[in-house]
Amino acid sequence: EIVLTQSPGTLSLSPGERATLSCRASQSVSNNYLAWYQQKLGQAPRLLIYGASYRATGIPDRFSGSGSGTDFTLTISRLEPEDFAVYYCQHYDTSPSYSFGQGTKLEIK
Amino acid sequence: EVQLVESGGGLVQPGGSLRLSCAASGFTLSSYWMHWVRQVPGKGLVWVSRMSSDGSTINYADSVQGRFTISRDNAKNTLSLQMNSLRAEDTAVYYCTRGLVATRYFDYWGQGTLVTVSS
Repeated sequence: EIVLTQSPGTLSLSPGERATLSCRASQSVSNNYLAWYQQKLGQAPRLLIYGASYRATGIPDRFSGSGSGTDFTLTISRLEPEDFAVYYCQHYDTSPSYSFGQGTKLEIK
Repeated sequence: EVQLVESGGGLVQPGGSLRLSCAASGFTLSSYWMHWVRQVPGKGLVWVSRMSSDGSTINYADSVQGRFTISRDNAKNTLSLQMNSLRAEDTAVYYCTRGLVATRYFDYWGQGTLVTVSS
């Protein structure tokens, strides 16, 4: 099973700044089967990005995903107050296996 | 509008059983892969089980294999998770989720239901 490691654990930024979150896989991710989710306190996760770079329905274009192989990135171009939350990456393979990263907390500086 | 509403969580003693339900609206359950994902409060997400759109494929995480059973009632458009032989480590919020791109990702989530296993 692929292990996903997210960094940093906590990211402190101000509204308007650019956020870059990393997700590193222990083995190469086939077919870029990698997604990103946002979870606010007390709420269910929300799908942001799938297939490494495709925005889910209704997701603002300030969110973008990139990467391949073992290194993936979620970028938020200009932080809005509502973007401060915990972000998880997720991988799927056909065994089936679904693995999540441990999360990155994006907090207001 | 797609909605998933879980119910059935609560406090149960170790070794006990609980049945979770997930009522779907805005779409037909039998047209999608459906999953259960759990989260210990304050911790990360863990996939639990899935059922294919036609019901022919069912899979479980190793940690719940043989104890949990996923099922679906097409007439009621409801997904269920029967949990037996519960352990303290099963304590978590359980989310019902819909599969995107067949089964690779989770595009809609319910609000979750808390299961607490404790004596």
